[in-house]
Amino acid sequence: GQQVMQIPQYQHVQEGEDFTTYCNSSTTLSNIQWYKQRPGGHPVFLIQLVKSGEVKKQKRLTFQFGEAKKNSSLHITATQTTDVGTYFCAGLLGSARQLTFGSGTQLTVLP
Amino acid sequence: DAGVTQSPTHLIKTRGQQVTLRCSPKSGHDTVSWYQQALGQGPQFIFQYYEEEERQRGNFPDRFSGHQFPNYSSELNVNALLLGDSALYLCASSLVGMSTEAFFGQGTRLTVV
Repeated sequence: GQQVMQIPQYQHVQEGEDFTTYCNSSTTLSNIQWYKQRPGGHPVFLIQLVKSGEVKKQKRLTFQFGEAKKNSSLHITATQTTDVGTYFCAGLLGSARQLTFGSGTQLTVLP
Repeated sequence: DAGVTQSPTHLIKTRGQQVTLRCSPKSGHDTVSWYQQALGQGPQFIFQYYEEEERQRGNFPDRFSGHQFPNYSSELNVNALLLGDSALYLCASSLVGMSTEAFFGQGTRLTVV
């Protein structure tokens, strides 16, 4: 069935290293949203991408939406301990009204 | 301005029982979506309510039902609870569907024993 895949499932990095998580869909996405969930918390919206090839930056975070609107990535430059959490992508598949979430990438930042 | 509020925060139920979870959306939002998040997994869409009607439904059995009230608040009901229903239940509110930012509540942690 339609689904959104996310890799890697886990990532451990040393503080100051970069981090990237990738999101892939078998179906064209109307948009892609990224959320961060801290341990014990709830998903918090980070950003939404709508246009093919779109790139958005938030300080050390860079988000990209693929040209075919089937994949996306989140890149964090020079990670900090405050970046710890699970990062989820979530997309609207085609004309669907429901967000389909990826399985998430759990980021651990070692001090 | 209150965000999305859910109640209760934690709940323990016995197999076969029924449970009702509640959600008040962020002020100004008219759409409520419910998600089930198992440990270590991404949120799974249950259903979405808009204008007091179920607009979209995920792959969940009929044991899962919901309601939206005129003030946009919502309830999630689960009948005949199974051990596998143990999860974090998240409510998200947005404006008219999910094409805009969704605000999540803190969730209700349901444990079925």
